[in-house]
Amino acid sequence: KQEVTQIPAALSVPEGENLVLNCSFTDSAIYNLQWFRQDPGKGLTSLLLIQSSQREQTSGRLNASLDKSSGRSTLYIAASQPGDSATYLCAVDYNQGGKLIFGQGTELSVKP
Amino acid sequence: EAGVTQFPSHSVIEKGQTVTLRCDPISGHDNLYWYRRVMGKEIKFLLHFVKESKQDESGMPNNRFLAERTGGTYSTLKVQPAELEDSGVYFCASSLLAGPNNEQFFGPGTRLTVL
Repeated sequence: KQEVTQIPAALSVPEGENLVLNCSFTDSAIYNLQWFRQDPGKGLTSLLLIQSSQREQTSGRLNASLDKSSGRSTLYIAASQPGDSATYLCAVDYNQGGKLIFGQGTELSVKP
Repeated sequence: EAGVTQFPSHSVIEKGQTVTLRCDPISGHDNLYWYRRVMGKEIKFLLHFVKESKQDESGMPNNRFLAERTGGTYSTLKVQPAELEDSGVYFCASSLLAGPNNEQFFGPGTRLTVL
């Protein structure tokens, strides 16, 4: 069964800390992987998309890596800020058709 | 550029009633997706349109759900008759490209409550 898991479910860090969010998937034959953030009561904002042929993608303070052999992706957030507080979701396209399979998300809280 | 929009933002109906959700994708996006999140669960795929054609409807829970995308622009998702377990947040997403660079952009969602 193709699944996506995110651990931990919640994370609290002090402002300024560098942090890593984890995403694991059960089938290494992925097509792409997308990281999103969701603010309370809002929709999903796309952060980064990594194609299966890529190892990492960067956008500002965010860096996402992909290791298909181990079934893992990480989202690295540098110098965290209170505005980074949100739920971060990882989603995998296994089938090339765009059907995303989501993890449960990690709720991040950055304390001032 | 306008993002994906959804209407209504909230809907409260009674069991047995009918509700229609609407999604307007980003202009020019041929791919349109519906997802939903029920309480305490992860977001799950419902179906995928390419223009006006259903590409994949493997996630549709049962025949009480009907999705349409006439003319290949906006899409509607009708639930008839609604049941308690249909409560949740329904998201729509759209994308421009197929293939490995298929970045999906999500709308704000419609929160459906069935009483």
